[in-house]
Amino acid sequence: ETGVTQSPTHLIKTRGQQVTLRCSSQSGHNTVSWYQQALGQGPQFIFQYYREEENGRGNFPPRFSGLQFPNYSSELNVNALELDDSALYLCASSRELGEETQYFGPGTRLLVL
Amino acid sequence: AQKITQTQPGMFVQEKEAVTLDCTYDTSDPSYGLFWYKQPSSGEMIFLIYQGSYDQQNATEGRYSLNFQKARKSANLVISASQLGDSAMYFCAMSTDNNDMRFGAGTRLTVKP
Repeated sequence: ETGVTQSPTHLIKTRGQQVTLRCSSQSGHNTVSWYQQALGQGPQFIFQYYREEENGRGNFPPRFSGLQFPNYSSELNVNALELDDSALYLCASSRELGEETQYFGPGTRLLVL
Repeated sequence: AQKITQTQPGMFVQEKEAVTLDCTYDTSDPSYGLFWYKQPSSGEMIFLIYQGSYDQQNATEGRYSLNFQKARKSANLVISASQLGDSAMYFCAMSTDNNDMRFGAGTRLTVKP
């Protein structure tokens, strides 16, 4: 039990639609990172937010965007869904930047048909 | 570019024996962190152990130890006294100053009774 929750647990969308995934971090955790994990692969870093500002981004197109809120919750938005967006999406939080331990949520499994 | 390599797609170990999971990395950054995570079938990433690039001693956490060989750029995970509950995917990961955490492809460990 990491204290990080994600919703929904599962989601089915069709190609071209938009989706919003949500993450609730532990209180006091100012950093949240989002990862995409395709089936059979390791997680890929999408981006990181620190105190509501984007603080780093992986190799993902602009249709992947995010928000972080003062109440330690955050969102991952994906526009114009493609079949290859089907994956497990994980968020991870930590108290401050550079902190060794990130606490992961259980993930949201997205299926794009 | 940073890269993490796990060359063992699957490993088997007898209950109560020790097992080593291999991880090699590549980075030009002098400061980095190395992590191991466990991912059960439920999907949640569980933090196991951390090694900083400047740490002189190998990290240990209970039954987990990290065999850090900086010159060889390897960070192998050793699990002692394996238990049935250790069966899961194991991921090696590296973070650098740009806050981008890279994961390997993972190793599926199966503990046999």
